[in-house]
Amino acid sequence: QQPVQSPQAVILREGEDAVINCSSSKALYSVHWYRQKHGEAPVFLMILLKGGEQKGHDKISASFNEKKQQSSLYLTASQLSYSGTYFCGTLPGGAQKLVFGQGTRLTINP
Amino acid sequence: DSGVTQTPKHLITATGQRVTLRCSPRSGDLSVYWYQQSLDQGLQFLIQYYNGEERAKGNILERFSAQQFPDLHSELNLSSLELGDSALYFCASSAHAGTNGGYTFGSGTRLTVV
Repeated sequence: QQPVQSPQAVILREGEDAVINCSSSKALYSVHWYRQKHGEAPVFLMILLKGGEQKGHDKISASFNEKKQQSSLYLTASQLSYSGTYFCGTLPGGAQKLVFGQGTRLTINP
Repeated sequence: DSGVTQTPKHLITATGQRVTLRCSPRSGDLSVYWYQQSLDQGLQFLIQYYNGEERAKGNILERFSAQQFPDLHSELNLSSLELGDSALYFCASSAHAGTNGGYTFGSGTRLTVV
């Protein structure tokens, strides 16, 4: 039931792009994306509802393909502040509990 | 400050003991969620309350229990503590029952069982 994230870790240089994928074995109603910096609370980035929409938030955007039960998070022209662990959370249709993937650790170097 | 308040921030206790973690949701939020995060692990869903009623349960141990009070604050009770219960416990809140809105997380309670 837990969504699967890939890759598990990414190391980039400032200014490079990254894509983080999230896939589920269950039909999804929505997908959440969060970022957690070490020792801090997860911070909500965006939510995508079924309908294949794409959202943007500064230079961070995401897509949701409900037929493939997948979502991808796109980080363009990465900044040092983007470092952290990114979690996707999935809410299968009819379910109340948001289940998180294992996370993708993103390291941005100068 | 996210608006979700968790107390205490740190807790060190011995095996076999019982502790209570407290969470005050963001003003106006009716849903409260509890998550456990072990070292370098993901966020494991424990339980959800909405306006005082239990709405969803995850893999919460029988030694753990929770409730949400009329003023909407929530408490997570952990009893007969074991070393493996050492973790960060996060509380999150949302306006509704977790469908169309994001969750706001508190800063967490770090529990160490010795």
